[in-house]
Amino acid sequence: QVQLQESGPGLVKPSGTLSLTCAVSGGSISSTNWWSWIRQPPGEGLEWIGEIYPGGITNYNSSLKSRLIIAIDESKNQFSLRLNSMTAADTAVYYCARGGPGGYFDSWGQGTLVTVSS
Amino acid sequence: EIVLTQSPGTLSLSPGERATLSCRASQSVSNNYLAWYQQKPGQAPRLLINGASRRATGIPDRFSGSGSGTDFTLTISRLEPEDFAVYYCQQYGNSPLTFGGGTKVEIK
Repeated sequence: QVQLQESGPGLVKPSGTLSLTCAVSGGSISSTNWWSWIRQPPGEGLEWIGEIYPGGITNYNSSLKSRLIIAIDESKNQFSLRLNSMTAADTAVYYCARGGPGGYFDSWGQGTLVTVSS
Repeated sequence: EIVLTQSPGTLSLSPGERATLSCRASQSVSNNYLAWYQQKPGQAPRLLINGASRRATGIPDRFSGSGSGTDFTLTISRLEPEDFAVYYCQQYGNSPLTFGGGTKVEIK
């Protein structure tokens, strides 16, 4: 059973950069899966941020594309997110997830709350 | 971008009753690539259904999905106490992947 675990700062200053890492255990990140980031503002719904495939192919949500980099480190079995120019609107629980065939999400991390505040 | 509209926003039912949740897409979902998730407070979403009607591993058979094109339904045949939660649909036929706004199933 694959497990995912997010890590990173819980607080980011306005205009700062968010860096999160998702560690994958119980399976190889180099398998034939896409690996995604998804976020959920407090009390709101879910927003897909973007995804990465082993080897580094990425797809980003166009609404965030100009501020976003998703990378993969297959030697460490992890992938990461960098989102710059953070504002209060980026305050959310950030989840990493494994994409099943086609693009549904069959395994999720527990999520990490990121607050943008000075 | 495909917009998913879920209805109703809140469903108030009693244990043992049948729940019917709707998810309508702004355009046809390719290959009926539609998934349903359950989310409880403080937890990550859990996959229930993919491909509009395929139950995920370990999901009880009281959960069923149906529909095609732009109209999809999640049915819970008899609500158990642990089923009271928020349910989201998600389409993965077109990029960007998008989610509906959710339906809260609460105890009446």
